Amino acid sequence: DQQVKQNSPSLSVQEGRISILNCDYTNSMFDYFLWYKKYPAEGPTFLISISSIKDKNEDGRFTVFLNKSAKHLSLHIVPSQPGDSAVYFCAASDLPGGTSYGKLTFGQGTILTVHP
Amino acid sequence: EAGVTQSPTHLIKTRGQQATLRCSPISGHTSVYWYQQALGLGLQFLLWYDEGEERNRGNFPPRFSGRQFPNYSSELNVNALELEDSALYLCASSSRTPRAFFGQGTRLTVV
Repeated sequence: DQQVKQNSPSLSVQEGRISILNCDYTNSMFDYFLWYKKYPAEGPTFLISISSIKDKNEDGRFTVFLNKSAKHLSLHIVPSQPGDSAVYFCAASDLPGGTSYGKLTFGQGTILTVHP
Repeated sequence: EAGVTQSPTHLIKTRGQQATLRCSPISGHTSVYWYQQALGLGLQFLLWYDEGEERNRGNFPPRFSGRQFPNYSSELNVNALELEDSALYLCASSSRTPRAFFGQGTRLTVV
């Protein structure tokens, strides 16, 4: 049962353009959402997060949008840079006290390639 | 400030053997999480330790076990290794918030 899904295995974007990575979830107990970036042979690094009480959070070139009714979130990177090329994981956390609290449930990841 | 450190970086074991992976969390973090990333797959939650106790466990067989020491470092043990246990094992720590900080991982290869 894949509770967090990233349906696009890969995305290719030209440098300077917008990259939009999408994520869908099924568990309504998820309360907090995060995006991580991962380079080969390294651990994931935190990018940006959003609480379910918000619908948007910005940090520099990165913006995360949350649509709770659609159980959908997206990560926008503007402008995209070649150094952004990596695997991007969407992750979700349960409410405190929930059965899944204390762990992150990850999507399968999207490979982003930004061409110069 | 040191990040999450894992050892060893690479580990090669024979089927049926036991593997021990180690993790040191960020100073001040009491929670340690273990994840498995098999080839072509996302990160699968294995175990969560907090204040020395196992708090949550993923859908893995009992031969995956671990512990957390008084200094909050942690150990993951995998007994009776199978070929499909070959994966990148990631440790993460947090101060009881959803934002977890990851180590660089241990690449376990079972031959």
